[in-house]
Parts: sequence; C-alpha cells; structure tokens
Amino acid sequence: DAGVTQSPTHLIKTRGQHVTLRCSPISGHKSVSWYQQVLGQGPQFIFQYYEKEERGRGNFPDRFSARQFPNYSSELNVNALLLGDSALYLCASSLADRGGQPQHFGDGTRLSIL
Amino acid sequence: AQKITQTQPGMFVQEKEAVTLDCTYDTSDPSYGLFWYKQPSSGEMIFLIYQGSYDQQNATEGRYSLNFQKARKSANLVISASQLGDSAMYFCAMREGGKDYKLSFGAGTTVTVRA
Repeated sequence: DAGVTQSPTHLIKTRGQHVTLRCSPISGHKSVSWYQQVLGQGPQFIFQYYEKEERGRGNFPDRFSARQFPNYSSELNVNALLLGDSALYLCASSLADRGGQPQHFGDGTRLSIL
Repeated sequence: AQKITQTQPGMFVQEKEAVTLDCTYDTSDPSYGLFWYKQPSSGEMIFLIYQGSYDQQNATEGRYSLNFQKARKSANLVISASQLGDSAMYFCAMREGGKDYKLSFGAGTTVTVRA
C-alpha cells in the first residue's frame, strides 16, 4: 500500500506569494495533520483534520489555512509568504483521531522563500 | 513551558552496542501517549514505538524498547545492537487527551553510529 504522499517535493517562492501544498493520506486513514519543521528543530503542529472537520489548530497566523476533501486528501495554503516560512512541511495521516494510533508521515515538501 | 525535553543534542555509539536516548515530558493530563520517531537525513519521519500512559508494560518493537518511568515523567528510547543505518535524528513526541491529535515534539537527538 502507498504511504502518505505529498506534492510538490520542493518549492521555491518569493516573499508575498502564496503556496498550496498537497497531501494524500494512506488509504483508509481519515485523519490528516500538518506540521512545520524549521531546520534544526522538531516539527510544530499546524492543523489537524478528521472527517473533513478541523479538529485542531496550532499557534500559526491566519495566513495559514487548510482543508480536507471528501476523499480525505488535504491542502495546506500559506498566503503572503515570509522568509520565516522557509521550512519542511510534513503531512501525517492516521487511522483514527485519537488513542494509540501513530501518525504516519510523508516525505514532506521543502519550501524555500527568497 | 516545554512539553517534551530531549537534553542530548548528539550522541555517538559504536556499531552493535546499545544506546539510550533521553526524553522527559510535562503534562497534567492523565491520558496521554508517547511516541518515538526516526528522521534520516532524507527527511521522512518514521514511526518507531508507542507507549500509552495507562500501559502497564514497557513497549518493545524489535531492537527498540521504551523505558517508561511514569512517576519521573520520562520515556527513554533504547536501541539495542546499533547498526550503521540507525544514524539519524530521533524525536520524542507526546499526544495529550483532547479533541485534536496534536503531537508535541522535542528538539531531537542526533545519533551517529560508528563502524
């Protein structure tokens, strides 16, 4: 079975632009979460969606938004890009939205802001 | 306050030896879960092992075991018989009870296995 897939793999943008990152969860997984990982740090939680509803939001500005589609895939949108948005963006899916179910991560999208 | 603390930024271990990675956590929630992930230089996060707060036994998965000391709020990862492929960044993470499935990660520990 395919794992979590993210696209694109790499992306270069300039300040002020917007970006859309995409994620397809493992088949059967209904929960999708997004994380930002700045170089040298642990991932920081951005959003979690379960059954197309937002279940959690991290401490990120309103420039960050996300949604989950009926097929459980998800998009992360970031507007008015800043240099500090340069990071690895990780998508994770899980079978359920709680309990001991681990989150399985994709390979991430490396976003560079010039 | 930091929810997950990993105090070892980097460690070296000889091939075939065991290594212990420290993790302490902070929560007042009686229901929580602790996870360890491995992140090679290529970037993907690989799930290794899980320990629930109500689990009576320490979790084990192959060469990975979790030394869970609830009273001390520590969840150390032990990797036995280290292999060159174990060289990576290791993250401890916690999920607390609640309606979301947020994982709080530590800063990570870099492990380098020497031949």
